[in-house]
Amino acid sequence: DVKVTQSSRYLVKRTGEKVFLECVQDMDHENMFWYRQDPGLGLRLIYFSYDVKMKEKGDIPEGYSVSREKKERFSLILESASTNQTSMYLCASSPQGYYGYTFGSGTRLTVV
Amino acid sequence: AQSVSQHNHHVILSEAASLELGCNYSYGGTVNLFWYVQYPGQHLQLLLKYFSGDPLVKGIKGFEAEFIKSKFSFNLRKPSVQWSDTAEYFCAVSGAGGTSYGKLTFGQGTILTVHP
Repeated sequence: DVKVTQSSRYLVKRTGEKVFLECVQDMDHENMFWYRQDPGLGLRLIYFSYDVKMKEKGDIPEGYSVSREKKERFSLILESASTNQTSMYLCASSPQGYYGYTFGSGTRLTVV
Repeated sequence: AQSVSQHNHHVILSEAASLELGCNYSYGGTVNLFWYVQYPGQHLQLLLKYFSGDPLVKGIKGFEAEFIKSKFSFNLRKPSVQWSDTAEYFCAVSGAGGTSYGKLTFGQGTILTVHP
């Protein structure tokens, strides 16, 4: 079974802190994605990566950056956390040429 | 830009009732379509997908969906729901090829509550 592991299930951070959310997949997938999930808004794409060191902005990239130094790991960075970034963050991966994701369990981030 | 619209935010049914959740999409090209489910406290799981061929697709747990190209719709159905179907359901679309990299655009989600 493909596994996508997010390092933290719950996280509480202070406004202005730099926050790192980590995601690791174990099936050699090329594509990795970061979404945020908010009630009534569904899932919105923040950033995605289709190869090591490659990244593309999604629909809501403002206030976020990403890093993909190794194929299996995709990090989401909140440069200066704000209260409106309180959300559930979901990581997903998929192999090249196949359309459909495997999701991680999510990180519920609260910014106070 | 592609978009997905789910008609109902919250649907409440009794066990054994029939279910239909609406999903419409907007995309200027060939699409792949998905329904995902999120049970309380669990991660998102794939229910079913449509890539091509028979527009009526069957998924896990007795769910099915019909792709109607002329209506840009991909509605989810189940003839008889169970209490264990209580979950949030998400419709999603991706472009079929090119430089889409398979990235999915999701709808707003529909919460389904099934009473015993």
